[in-house]
Amino acid sequence: SQQGEEDPQALSIQEGENATMNCSYKTSINNLQWYRQNSGRGLVHLILIRSNEREKHSGRLRVTLDTSKKSSSLLITASRAADTASYFCALGPTGGYQKVSFGIGTKLQVIP
Amino acid sequence: DTGVSQNPRHKITKRGQNVTFRCDPISEHNRLYWYRQTLGQGPEFLTYFQNEAQLEKSRLLSDRFSAERPKGSFSTLEIQRTEQGDSAMYLCASSFNSGYEQYFGPGTRLTVT
Repeated sequence: SQQGEEDPQALSIQEGENATMNCSYKTSINNLQWYRQNSGRGLVHLILIRSNEREKHSGRLRVTLDTSKKSSSLLITASRAADTASYFCALGPTGGYQKVSFGIGTKLQVIP
Repeated sequence: DTGVSQNPRHKITKRGQNVTFRCDPISEHNRLYWYRQTLGQGPEFLTYFQNEAQLEKSRLLSDRFSAERPKGSFSTLEIQRTEQGDSAMYLCASSFNSGYEQYFGPGTRLTVT
């Protein structure tokens, strides 16, 4: 089964800058999710975007989805040191199946 | 704390031994998931329960792996005859029947020596 491919695999920015992470995939999806994982809070759901949506916002997060290009992006604005974490795109649920497939993630470091 | 809990948090075992992990989901959640995560990788889906029914299983879940959710509440994941390749973090998650957001537990880190 497919999984998303995040790009870049690692990203280092200064506090206050914006961070953009991308996810590409190969087959059709119904839903795409973004999760964050750090040592302190474990794996946490950030946002879900459905295939009929193009953009969603949640606080400092903005997610876009382009189904024609089979890609999604996660933008974190005005980054903080606490945003340091790995960010995963997760494909699914799709087609009646609850399985969610995670990519290998983007490791973001925000330097104070 | 009413989040997802997992026990034990760490387990060291010798190759060939059996191990069992427990997951207690958020009480109102009737969906429960197991994942495995190795260093530098994202979580890999293992299996999914709707109440007590195991509805989806990954091919990763070999014959040595079995999962149960006997009363639709807590779940156990057993690995028989452990191998060094089983060393990983085993994550449990739960969700509402009506939603897709999964709430993850802290994981059980398994080391097979």
